[in-house]
Amino acid sequence: DAKTTQPTSMDCAEGRAANLPCNHSTISGNEYVYWYRQIHSQGPQYIIHGLKNNETNEMASLIITEDRKSSTLILPHATLRDTAVYYCIVVPGNTGKLIFGQGTTLQVKP
Amino acid sequence: EAGVVQSPRYKIIEKKQPVAFWCNPISGHNTLYWYLQNLGQGPELLIRYENEEAVDDSQLPKDRFSAERLKGVDSTLKIQPAELGDSAVYLCASSLAGTSGNEQFFGPGTRLTVL
Repeated sequence: DAKTTQPTSMDCAEGRAANLPCNHSTISGNEYVYWYRQIHSQGPQYIIHGLKNNETNEMASLIITEDRKSSTLILPHATLRDTAVYYCIVVPGNTGKLIFGQGTTLQVKP
Repeated sequence: EAGVVQSPRYKIIEKKQPVAFWCNPISGHNTLYWYLQNLGQGPELLIRYENEEAVDDSQLPKDRFSAERLKGVDSTLKIQPAELGDSAVYLCASSLAGTSGNEQFFGPGTRLTVL
């Protein structure tokens, strides 16, 4: 399974865009990039996923590079409620096998 | 729509005692997962059920951990006897039948402290 590399922590000012990077240089052709987040004392929450194309939903945008070796999760207007640990996960096909790393702790500051 | 329900939310026990956690998945979700999350780490899968069948229990320490999902809905995870190293958060998740299973809905978890 492809591994991911994320910064341990990041800060973002409230109201600004939060850009969270993820490296997955060994990703295979059938592997998806999934993003989850975990707010303190809660279970993880699905955010978005993609294979090749950029994706956008009501929560975030996902930008995947053309070579698929890295991606960026964008929270367009971060709020204090977006403070959480963000996990980038590479999933082989439709397997349901989520292997969580340590993620990026995003702190949104007023 | 109700989310994944877990109980209890917190449990404190002494080592060597048994403990059980209960999970009620989202209605209609046939796949159920139990995860273990140690402090500062991401969740790790313990077992996955498709309806009543445990289809992946390779990471479940079977000497002391057991799980069941008798009617394909609720599930119970048990530890007997508990050890100090079992102190962690135990998360339950479910996913919808007919989907990839990659989009999972998590409960709030049970925080276990073993003294």
